[in-house]
Amino acid sequence: GEDVEQSLFLSVREGDSSVINCTYTDSSSTYLYWYKQEPGAGLQLLTYIFSNMDMKQDQRLTVLLNKKDKHLSLRIADTQTGDSAIYFCAERDGGSQGNLIFGKGTKLSVKP
Amino acid sequence: GAGVSQSPSNKVTEKGKDVELRCDPISGHTALYWYRQSLGQGLEFLIYFQGNSAPDKSGLPSDRFSAERTGGSVSTLTIQRTQQEDSAVYLCASSPRTSGIYEQYFGPGTRLTVT
Repeated sequence: GEDVEQSLFLSVREGDSSVINCTYTDSSSTYLYWYKQEPGAGLQLLTYIFSNMDMKQDQRLTVLLNKKDKHLSLRIADTQTGDSAIYFCAERDGGSQGNLIFGKGTKLSVKP
Repeated sequence: GAGVSQSPSNKVTEKGKDVELRCDPISGHTALYWYRQSLGQGLEFLIYFQGNSAPDKSGLPSDRFSAERTGGSVSTLTIQRTQQEDSAVYLCASSPRTSGIYEQYFGPGTRLTVT
């Protein structure tokens, strides 16, 4: 079945770049997403990328997609303490209902 | 505008009791999704509504779980005879499904604790 894998933890220093990696299995996924979850809050859509794109940049966020290797990454430039959160990678289910299949999330800790 | 709201934000119940969790989607969003987030796990898809109908209920973990949506808006997730393994955060999301991106907007969740 479809699966999304992420490393569970990442620790960086304030001002450094963070790179969160994700692998997925469904080659028919049309969209891939990155969500952010702060403590006690719901998920906030950060960005998404269409499967025919290799890269998408949005301010401090850069998404890279390697469709051949089914690898997705999220780079956060100039990481701030406010970026500390759990980041979820998700792919859209190839079926018709459009539900998302999430990874277990990467907890990003930013040290001052 | 208003986002997705869920109530209650926290619910503590005794094992064996029934609970109802409510979701108010963003106005005009036709698709509504329920997910479950257990400690240390990712999000598990439960059920999806398009309008008032639920084409796929296969994500519901057992027949103790049911959901309905009325008027193409509010949805209720009901768990009967709750068990301790039902303890989790239940998240609701809605989607306009008009942009082709199928982005989902999440509510803050209901934290359910079964004692």
